[in-house]
Amino acid sequence: EVQLVQSGAEVKKPGESLKISCKGSGYSFTTYWIGWVRQMPGKGLEWMGFIYPGDSDTKYSPSFQGQVTISADKSISTAYLQWGSLKASDTAMYYCARGYSTSLGDYWGQGTLVTVSS
Amino acid sequence: QSALTQPASVSGSPGQSITISCTGTSSDVGAYNSVSWYQQHPGTAPKLMIYDVNNRPSGVSNRFSGSKSANTASLTISGLQAEDEADYYCSSYTRSRTWVFGGGTELTVL
Repeated sequence: EVQLVQSGAEVKKPGESLKISCKGSGYSFTTYWIGWVRQMPGKGLEWMGFIYPGDSDTKYSPSFQGQVTISADKSISTAYLQWGSLKASDTAMYYCARGYSTSLGDYWGQGTLVTVSS
Repeated sequence: QSALTQPASVSGSPGQSITISCTGTSSDVGAYNSVSWYQQHPGTAPKLMIYDVNNRPSGVSNRFSGSKSANTASLTISGLQAEDEADYYCSSYTRSRTWVFGGGTELTVL
């Protein structure tokens, strides 16, 4: 069974760093890419970027380029989304989703809620 | 890149059919047959309903169908059921090698 399991909810202060994870199982982790999607409270889905764990090829949405870092450790089938300095506006639910070729999101993680507040 | 355009809300009665549109440009929807549709119930992760314009993943009801003409894709739900009430999002691959979502459509089953 294909599963994407994300790390738990986080509460952080502005300026702090954070790395959340998405662990894949039940499939060959290196042959599908992993995308990250933001959903701010009460708002729609926003595609942030993706990584192809097979060769670490990474692409970001222009809206998120320079704001976050996407990485992966294929030895443990885990992808990451990282912030160097959080802002209150980063408060959102973050989902990882599996993709293949030009198709996005046949499987999704359960989401990680990130709350940034002083 | 701008979000794809979806109606904010649609509604229908049980048993009826509804269609949700998703309008993009020649750089995204019009460029590839890589449009997907997702259903999201409150408090849950999105679920893939249609991929590559008109393909249903295993387990998705055949009441859901997709189509595309030029820069506009559409999701049709026939035989509306109460459980279909949810938010629906479209997405498209783009010429920039990125993906873009629509703003989402809230479906109300009357």
